[in-house]
Amino acid sequence: DAGVTQSPTHLIKTRGQQVTLRCSPKSGHDTVSWYQQALGQGPQFIFQYYEEEERQRGNFPDRFSGHQFPNYSSELNVNALLLGDSALYLCASSSELKGSYEQYFGPGTRLTVT
Amino acid sequence: QQQVKQSPQSLIVQKGGISIINCAYENTAFDYFPWYQQFPGKGPALLIAIRPDVSEKKEGRFTISFNKSAKQFSLHIMDSQPGDSATYFCAASMNTGFQKLVFGTGTRLLVSP
Repeated sequence: DAGVTQSPTHLIKTRGQQVTLRCSPKSGHDTVSWYQQALGQGPQFIFQYYEEEERQRGNFPDRFSGHQFPNYSSELNVNALLLGDSALYLCASSSELKGSYEQYFGPGTRLTVT
Repeated sequence: QQQVKQSPQSLIVQKGGISIINCAYENTAFDYFPWYQQFPGKGPALLIAIRPDVSEKKEGRFTISFNKSAKQFSLHIMDSQPGDSATYFCAASMNTGFQKLVFGTGTRLLVSP
């Protein structure tokens, strides 16, 4: 049973550039949430996707956007990168259909903005 | 009200000892309280979770104690092992259907051999 997968593992970008991160949920899961984890901090909720729509957003600017595809996989896009966007970006999947609260995280994408 | 406060920030326990990590919350709408374990360079792994209708849940060496009136919950790791050395996060979410997790600040646990 494949768990949550994310790509790429690491990414280095320059200020002002744009980046796309990808996530495939755990088999049987239909909901994808994205979190940002700064060094030494707990993960912070960015947004959640269900049925290809964003249904809740945390305290993040519009530079952060996402998408969910019919196969439940998801992308996180960040425009106009700032140095402060350097962090571990985590994807978590869960099952709305099963009514489960359990969220399972992927290994993350380490983004460095220089 | 969305915060979850976690303590201590770091913890050193001898092998075989009991590790205890505490969390407190304000928002009484929270109704799901998971604990995650994270190793360096990895994503958080779900360890154990509890709902407010029970005061304790045990899975192997890991136990969650929940005090609804005090709005506090804690993780106890019995017979701590060097392999348990990791960062532990408590979290909470509300039954809004959105399952947004609010995380504590983390506790770095070191189990000395």
